[in-house]
Amino acid sequence: GESVGLHLPTLSVQEGDNSIINCAYSNSASDYFIWYKQESGKGPQFIIDIRSNMDKRQGQRVTVLLNKTVKHLSLQIAATQPGDSAVYFCAENRGTYKYIFGTGTRLKVLA
Amino acid sequence: DAGVIQSPRHEVTEMGQEVTLRCKPISGHNSLFWYRQTMMRGLELLIYFNNNVPIDDSGMPEDRFSAKMPNASFSTLKIQPSEPRDSAVYFCASSLSQGGTGELFFGEGSRLTVL
Repeated sequence: GESVGLHLPTLSVQEGDNSIINCAYSNSASDYFIWYKQESGKGPQFIIDIRSNMDKRQGQRVTVLLNKTVKHLSLQIAATQPGDSAVYFCAENRGTYKYIFGTGTRLKVLA
Repeated sequence: DAGVIQSPRHEVTEMGQEVTLRCKPISGHNSLFWYRQTMMRGLELLIYFNNNVPIDDSGMPEDRFSAKMPNASFSTLKIQPSEPRDSAVYFCASSLSQGGTGELFFGEGSRLTVL
């Protein structure tokens, strides 16, 4: 079936290193993607988005890459900080109100 | 700048009791969503309102669940009677977009525990 999934449920990185969180999606009709960050006890918080007519978008310390050929999305966090520890979700949208969320990857930042 | 406001933040109740969760979307947003989050299933869309009108309630688990949006600034999700399997975190989200082309703003969630 159609789904948005993540390769790694937990990612541990050293403070200061770069983090890469991956996401696979299965529907080539998806044209809008969002990365969310969810800290413990809080709601998902928007990080960055990208549309299917782009393959890269940069924000503050974050970069999202979209590879439509292999239906792959990644979130790169530069110089990972303790405050980046959270669960990260990718979400895909197919031009409607329905967002399909991935199960999430937990990022642990090691001091 | 208030975001999406949900109440209560935590609710513990006994099986069979009625539960009402409340949401105040961001002012000016025309779309409102109720999601349920569990470890097993992640985030699931329960119901979507646009301009206060329920557009899609296909995600509502069963007749025990109901949602209303009497005006643009308030929505409720009610479970009656509640069951232990309803235990989850319930999120309300709002957006300006009608067609899913924009950001969803989530509330902090209501953690429900049904004993």
